[in-house]
Formats: sequence, structure tokens, C-alpha cells
Amino acid sequence: KNQVEQSPQSLIILEGKNCTLQCNYTVSPFSNLRWYKQDTGRGPVSLTIMTFSENTKSNGRYTATLDADTKQSSLHITASQLSDSASYICVVSRRGTYKYIFGTGTRLKVLA
Amino acid sequence: GAVVSQHPSWVICKSGTSVKIECRSLDFQATTMFWYRQFPKQSLMLMATSNEGSKATYEQGVEKDKFLINHASLTLSTLTVTSAHPEDSSFYICSARSRTSGVETQYFGPGTRLLVL
Repeated sequence: KNQVEQSPQSLIILEGKNCTLQCNYTVSPFSNLRWYKQDTGRGPVSLTIMTFSENTKSNGRYTATLDADTKQSSLHITASQLSDSASYICVVSRRGTYKYIFGTGTRLKVLA
Repeated sequence: GAVVSQHPSWVICKSGTSVKIECRSLDFQATTMFWYRQFPKQSLMLMATSNEGSKATYEQGVEKDKFLINHASLTLSTLTVTSAHPEDSSFYICSARSRTSGVETQYFGPGTRLLVL
């Protein structure tokens, strides 16, 4: 079954600290993996997209990694800011289809 | 980057009324748009895929007569929640499909919060 699982479900960190969010998937055949940030009451905004051949992709303080062999991805946030408080969603696409398979998300809270 | 807008951003209505939500791709043409529903603390659930000029494809368990979708142009899709009931209260998000540099991407709208009293 094509699934995307994320951990942890929720996370609280202090401002300035780093954190890493995990994503495991069983989607096959794999096309690409994206990380989205969703602020409360808003639509998701794309952070990174990685295809099968890419191992890492950065977008400012966000760095995503992908291990296509183990079907795992991570999103590392460096020097967190209060504005990083949001849900982070891992989304995987299957090759040959345009539908997205969404993870359940990780809710991050950054405290001052 | 590609921008998708939704209108209204929030709506409160009485049970039994119909509500129309618009989704527009502002700076690109989208042959395919998607409608999602999101309940609190849950991920997005795909409701239907909307293709310009043809009937929408609904996901299993989504009533097509309840959620009417019209994709009248390459930049506009509408979702009408007919005879809304309190259980239809949710956050509705649309996305529009675009192909940039050979990679297909969905750009999401800001969402519409529906509250049915």
C-alpha cells in the first residue's frame, strides 16, 4: 500500500535550536518527494522537491535529504525562528500519476 | 512562483444552503485542478480532480451530487457544497497543476474555511 508516515507527530523546540523531521514512505514506483510548510489556516507552501537521483536539497535554513534505497527523507531546520511554527508535510508522488500522497504531518512549535 | 487564489477565505452559512468556492490560477494556465478537504490536525484529503472542459473525477466516498465541481476555464475551478450541513464544516483547499522545467507541481491555494451552523 502506498503510504507516507512522518515522525514525530509534534515537536516543541526553543528558538535558535535545530531540529530534524522524518518521513518514511512505501510509495512505488517513486517519482519525487516534496516537503511543504503549512501555517495554521493557510494552504501548503512548497519548501523542497527531490527526485530519485537527488540526495539533498536546501532552501535557506531548510535542508531536505532523501535516501531512495531505504525510502526515507528528512527535513532539517537550522537556527529555528518563531515563524517556523507550522505543520510540515511530506508528500510523495508515484511515477505515472499526478496524484500526491500526503503524510500526516509534523506540527512544530518554536518557543521564545 | 505560481500563485493560486481562493475566494472566499472563510464563510459561515446556515444548514441547508449552498456555498460556492472559487479557485483561480493567477499567472499560469492549469488544465488540472484538485480539491482537498482538511479536518483539524489531519492531513489533506483529496476530494476530486478537476479537468478543464470535462467532468471531475471524484475520490471514493465523495458524493459528486453533494460537491459540484465546475472547471470552466484554464484558470478557474469552482466547488459548490450543496445543501450544506454542519458535518461539511471543514477547511477546503484547491491546488492547480503546472509543469515547470519538466517537473509537474501542484500549487496550493490559501484555503477556504467553511462553517455550517
